[in-house]
Amino acid sequence: GAGVSQSPRYKVAKRGQDVALRCDPISGHVSLFWYQQALGQGPEFLTYFQNEAQLDKSGLPSDRFFAERPEGSVSTLKIQRTQQEDSAVYLCASSFTGTSGGLEQFFGPGTRLTVL
Amino acid sequence: AQTVTQSQPEMSVQEAETVTLSCTYDTSESDYYLFWYKQPPSRQMILVIRQEAYKQQNATENRFSVNFQKAAKSFSLKISDSQLGDAAMYFCAYKRGAQKLVFGQGTRLTINP
Repeated sequence: GAGVSQSPRYKVAKRGQDVALRCDPISGHVSLFWYQQALGQGPEFLTYFQNEAQLDKSGLPSDRFFAERPEGSVSTLKIQRTQQEDSAVYLCASSFTGTSGGLEQFFGPGTRLTVL
Repeated sequence: AQTVTQSQPEMSVQEAETVTLSCTYDTSESDYYLFWYKQPPSRQMILVIRQEAYKQQNATENRFSVNFQKAAKSFSLKISDSQLGDAAMYFCAYKRGAQKLVFGQGTRLTINP
């Protein structure tokens, strides 16, 4: 595919359920980022991978949030025991290399999570 | 920690006219990058323009240009000859090295025909 893809595009979960959000970055992109975007707000950083290594997870709001990228390509963001405050759009972005600060991060369409 | 502030929650402009969106940021670093991203309704975020802090020349991309004032930590976006397709949320963002983007709160731009 030509761009970053995310699935599902929409997810409705009952409070307390676990959810898994998938990100397929652009082929060959080394860096992968997850952001959380609340309604009407700017995206906020969650976590960052360079290949399979999770280099920064300082933005994960609680230990209910877990991300992995086991083979250095596809990534999954998992949220356990979802709460209403987890309702947001979860954005994935990838970039070609982690060594150059200026290179563009390409964003996926996001997964809109609604927790009832 | 770095912060990015967009003080205009909403802006509107007549089609074909010029509009400027404001952004200020706070950092103690000297080497960084600044970006403007566009997020149309229900569509994905796309890069509009970027500026390297070490470059004094303001970046331009067709109808989009920036006014980068490093000492004042200001980074405004000017859109010339506004078009209906420019309607979107615009986010200013800061990045240092290969690290995360730090976004502002966004400005919703409306284009009036």
